[in-house]
Amino acid sequence: DQQVKQNSPSLSVQEGRISILNCDYTNSMFDYFLWYKKYPAEGPTFLISISSIKDKNEDGRFTVFLNKSAKHLSLHIVPSQPGDSAVYFCAASAGPLRVFGAGTILRVKS
Amino acid sequence: KAGVTQTPRYLIKTRGQQVTLSCSPISGHRSVSWYQQTPGQGLQFLFEYFSETQRNKGNFPGRFSGRQFSNSRSEMNVSTLELGDSALYLCASSLVPLAKNIQYFGAGTRLSVL
Repeated sequence: DQQVKQNSPSLSVQEGRISILNCDYTNSMFDYFLWYKKYPAEGPTFLISISSIKDKNEDGRFTVFLNKSAKHLSLHIVPSQPGDSAVYFCAASAGPLRVFGAGTILRVKS
Repeated sequence: KAGVTQTPRYLIKTRGQQVTLSCSPISGHRSVSWYQQTPGQGLQFLFEYFSETQRNKGNFPGRFSGRQFSNSRSEMNVSTLELGDSALYLCASSLVPLAKNIQYFGAGTRLSVL
């Protein structure tokens, strides 16, 4: 039972354009959401998070949107840069439970 | 300050053997979690330790076990290895147990079971 789903295994975007990565969840108890980025041969690194009391959080080029009624969150990267090419994982938390999605490979073409 | 350190980085074992992986968390972090990453499955939660006690456990068979020492370092053991155990094993540390805390990951141990 996948409680957190990233339905797009990969995404290809032109440099300078917007990248939108999506994540859906099923457990309405999740109240905290995170995005991590992973380069090959490295561990995931924290990117941005959002609490369920908010619907948007920004940090520089990265913005996370949360739609609780649709149980959907998305990560927007504007403008996309070649260095953003990596695997992106979304994660959802409820108390001690934290569930990760399967990841989306983002390729930013120059 | 040093990050999360996992050793070894690579391991090759044969079916039926056992293996022990090590994780040293960031200094001051008392919570350590372990994850298994396989293609298409993302990060599957194995267990979380805090103050030498297992707080939470994922849906893995009893062949997967772990422990945490008084200095917060943690080890994970897999006994009677199977081919399907081949994966990247990631360790993550945080100041206190999960909930709304950010985890910091190590680079992982790549285990290949032949």
